[in-house]
Amino acid sequence: DTGVSQNPRHKITKRGQNVTFRCDPISEHNRLYWYRQTLGQGPEFLTYFQNEAQLEKSRLLSDRFSAERPKGSFSTLEIQRTEQGDSAMYLCASSLLSQTNEKLFFGSGTQLSVL
Amino acid sequence: TQLLEQSPQFLSIQEGENLTVYCNSSSVFSSLQWYRQEPGEGPVLLVTVVTGGEVKKLKRLTFQFGDARKDSSLHITAAQTGDTGLYLCAGLKPDNYGQNFVFGPGTRLSVLP
Repeated sequence: DTGVSQNPRHKITKRGQNVTFRCDPISEHNRLYWYRQTLGQGPEFLTYFQNEAQLEKSRLLSDRFSAERPKGSFSTLEIQRTEQGDSAMYLCASSLLSQTNEKLFFGSGTQLSVL
Repeated sequence: TQLLEQSPQFLSIQEGENLTVYCNSSSVFSSLQWYRQEPGEGPVLLVTVVTGGEVKKLKRLTFQFGDARKDSSLHITAAQTGDTGLYLCAGLKPDNYGQNFVFGPGTRLSVLP
C-alpha cells in the first residue's frame, strides 16, 4: 500500500492556460474525492466518484473544471482557461465505502499557482 | 455560510499547556471526524466519533461528540511541538448517493518550545 499519490506536486501556469492533475488512489478503494483548499481554509468539496461514476459535483464548480475516472482507478482533474482565483491546493482523497466509519486517505496535493 | 464552524481560528501556546478546540454546526451528522494537516501535506485522519456523547482518547488527545451529534471538541493535554498543525473537523452527511464529507475551516495550532 503506497498511499494516495498526486502529480504534479506543484504547477505554475499562466492565466488562460489549461492544466491537468492526476490522482492515483489506494488500489482497493472504490471512492475518490477531489477537494480544493486555499490558505487558512478547510478543504472545499469539488466532486467525487464511486468506481468510474461521477456521483456528485459541487454547485460552486465552474464549467471550466472537469474530472474523470475512466476505469475506476486513477482520476484526472482538468481546469481550462485558468484564472488567478484558481490558485489553490488541489487535494485528492480515496476511501473504501462501507456502512459506517468511511475514512478518507488524502494525497499530498497539487499546489497550483496561476500567474 | 459555513456548515461547520471551528474555534478558535488560531491558537498559540507553550509546550506543556492544555488546550481545547471546538467544532460546531446547526446540522446533525451521522458521524464526525478530526484530521490534522501539516504544511504542504494532505490531512491525516485522527479519529471518528459516531455516537452522541461518545468520548474517545488517543494518547494525549481526547475527542468528544455532542449528545445531539451537532458539535465536537478536541482536548490536548500537555501539548508538544509535534502537535503543531491545522486541525480540521469533518461531518458526514447523507447525500443522494450515500454520504459525503463536509469540512470546517480548521483551527491552526502552534505549540512553542
